[in-house]
Amino acid sequence: NAGVTQTPKFQVLKTGQSMTLQCAQDMNHNSMYWYRQDPGMGLRLIYYSASEGTTDKGEVPNGYNVSRLNKREFSLRLESAAPSQTSVYFCASSEAGGFYEQYFGPGTRLTVT
Amino acid sequence: ELKVEQNPLFLSMQEGKNYTIYCNYSTTSDRLYWYRQDPGKSLESLFVLLSNGAVKQEGRLMASLDTKARLSTLHITAAVHDLSATYFCAADSTSGGGADGLTFGKGTHLIIQP
Repeated sequence: NAGVTQTPKFQVLKTGQSMTLQCAQDMNHNSMYWYRQDPGMGLRLIYYSASEGTTDKGEVPNGYNVSRLNKREFSLRLESAAPSQTSVYFCASSEAGGFYEQYFGPGTRLTVT
Repeated sequence: ELKVEQNPLFLSMQEGKNYTIYCNYSTTSDRLYWYRQDPGKSLESLFVLLSNGAVKQEGRLMASLDTKARLSTLHITAAVHDLSATYFCAADSTSGGGADGLTFGKGTHLIIQP
């Protein structure tokens, strides 16, 4: 099992450009999540999908959109990137939300200039 | 709104010593998670604590949960250099059934020196 995979690993964007971060899991998990990690801030939840077909905003959703493409895949889109979105982005999944730990992908390091 | 606070945020200690990292959370949550992160790497799950009084141990690490005090601790016994990392605690909101994501503390950057 590959667990949780993310692409790309690194990306540099110019202000105003758009991009989509891809995430896939092969553990048959129902719930998937997108977090961002900034120095000294811990991880903050951007969006989550409790189950296939549903998505909800987390703590810091502004400037992002998500798509739960199917049970395996959950993508994060930046429509018009801003320097404030420079961060490391982690995707995670869990079996049923709560009572189970979340498994994290390797992360995408994004720089917006 | 659930808030999670860890202390200390930075800890430098010597090998062989014992120390405790504290994690306080602000509202009702019966579930507490501990993760480890090495520099430039992803997060690795260490412990899942699901009820009041839960205690779990793995090697030199032991975690406990007191839901009445809204406090979890991560105790390090006889520290070794390999335990140097950043440790995060996280809690989820029981009102969301646990599926609405985790709220993380800011992390404790632990350096263990010979």
